[in-house]
Amino acid sequence: KNQVEQSPQSLIILEGKNCTLQCNYTVSPFSNLRWYKQDTGRGPVSLTIMTFSENTKSNRRYTATLDADTKQSSLHITASQLSDSASYICVVSEGNNNDMRFGAGTRLTVKP
Amino acid sequence: DAGVIQSPRHEVTEMGQEVTLRCKPISGHNSLFWYRQTMMRGLELLIYFNNNVPIDDSGMPEDRFSAKMPNASFSTLKIQPSEPRDSAVYFCASSLGYTQYFGPGTRLTVL
Repeated sequence: KNQVEQSPQSLIILEGKNCTLQCNYTVSPFSNLRWYKQDTGRGPVSLTIMTFSENTKSNRRYTATLDADTKQSSLHITASQLSDSASYICVVSEGNNNDMRFGAGTRLTVKP
Repeated sequence: DAGVIQSPRHEVTEMGQEVTLRCKPISGHNSLFWYRQTMMRGLELLIYFNNNVPIDDSGMPEDRFSAKMPNASFSTLKIQPSEPRDSAVYFCASSLGYTQYFGPGTRLTVL
């Protein structure tokens, strides 16, 4: 079983709407959690990275939250734009050896 | 800075051939990562280097895969012999600290 589960698998929203992507993990001990955006045909781009002591971090219209107690993270996108159409990947690093565990990603499509 | 540079961008080869993928990290970065991405398995870390030294190669699928980093500005990932199941997009990323910067990837097709 994958130690990082993302939901939904895919999502379609209208331009201008908000959305929230979920990442649940069982990785332990926890080191950090990252959200990446990957446009089709491109490499992933880092959006946020959070350590144990951080519970929210923003990057322009992207806001990530982390609840280390429930082992859940969310990525909230505000006022979506067509350019937000991409895959969003959650990556959790283990505390001891910094091994990275990857989620399968959420495919977001923003329609006009 | 041009970012992480990978070459070639596309590679089509026949089963059994040797394939070499190349990566130039961002100048000044001290860590370099090789990833593989497929539809079935998503993104997987193959190996990473810190200060040119391989730290963790537990993600390398088998002995057919090898990676080198002879200096701070160059790394290679070699597959010999290649097999159809190696078809994937291979990404190189570099970092100085937590944030990794990915290259554009090499799309490998093994026929």
